Amino acid sequence: AQSVAQPEDQVNVAEGNPLTVKCTYSVSGNPYLFWYVQYPNRGLQFLLKYITGDNLVKGSYGFEAEFNKSQTSFHLKKPSALVSDSALYFCAVRDGGNDYKLSFGAGTTVTVRA
Amino acid sequence: GAVVSQHPSWVICKSGTSVKIECRSLDFQATTMFWYRQFPKQSLMLMATSNEGSKATYEQGVEKDKFLINHASLTLSTLTVTSAHPEDSSFYICSARTGFAGVDEQFFGPGTRLTVL
Repeated sequence: AQSVAQPEDQVNVAEGNPLTVKCTYSVSGNPYLFWYVQYPNRGLQFLLKYITGDNLVKGSYGFEAEFNKSQTSFHLKKPSALVSDSALYFCAVRDGGNDYKLSFGAGTTVTVRA
Repeated sequence: GAVVSQHPSWVICKSGTSVKIECRSLDFQATTMFWYRQFPKQSLMLMATSNEGSKATYEQGVEKDKFLINHASLTLSTLTVTSAHPEDSSFYICSARTGFAGVDEQFFGPGTRLTVL
């Protein structure tokens, strides 16, 4: 079984401040971890992924995430948030199996105020 | 690259009618397509996985006779909601994966909002 927890429904930050969106996961094998962003009435856009290698992953639009195996976490970060980063963020996980099924967290709404 | 389209983007239908939603990979061949359902302000729930030329695999609790999935080619999968009812109103999103080694992420379509009156 695999699952994802995003403990915060909402994150509010001021523009220019650091942004962190938390994610913890549970998976039976090696985790494949993903972050997606969704704007209103749109599909999901891929931000970044961790499969193997360096624990710090850099992705699109200045976002990065750090894989922490001991804490089973994959928090999304951005050093300086923009108003345009306001959106719904989903963390997802799958094990290394061949069905490629993703399990998504409940999502975190990020609001960046000017 | 890796663009996935859905058609229609929104549809309103009467209760009891059937609605077909198309999902196309525009610039790659999709070995596998996935269909998700998303309720307002909630996460995506996987409904089924479809592989080209074979029957779809449905998740537990999803009625296969109600949500018919056809994956006739490497660039097209369709979801037909048969005899739709108001409780089927939702945002339906498809995704596709290329099958290329090293490209693990799924590419998502823009979604289709279905409203059943």
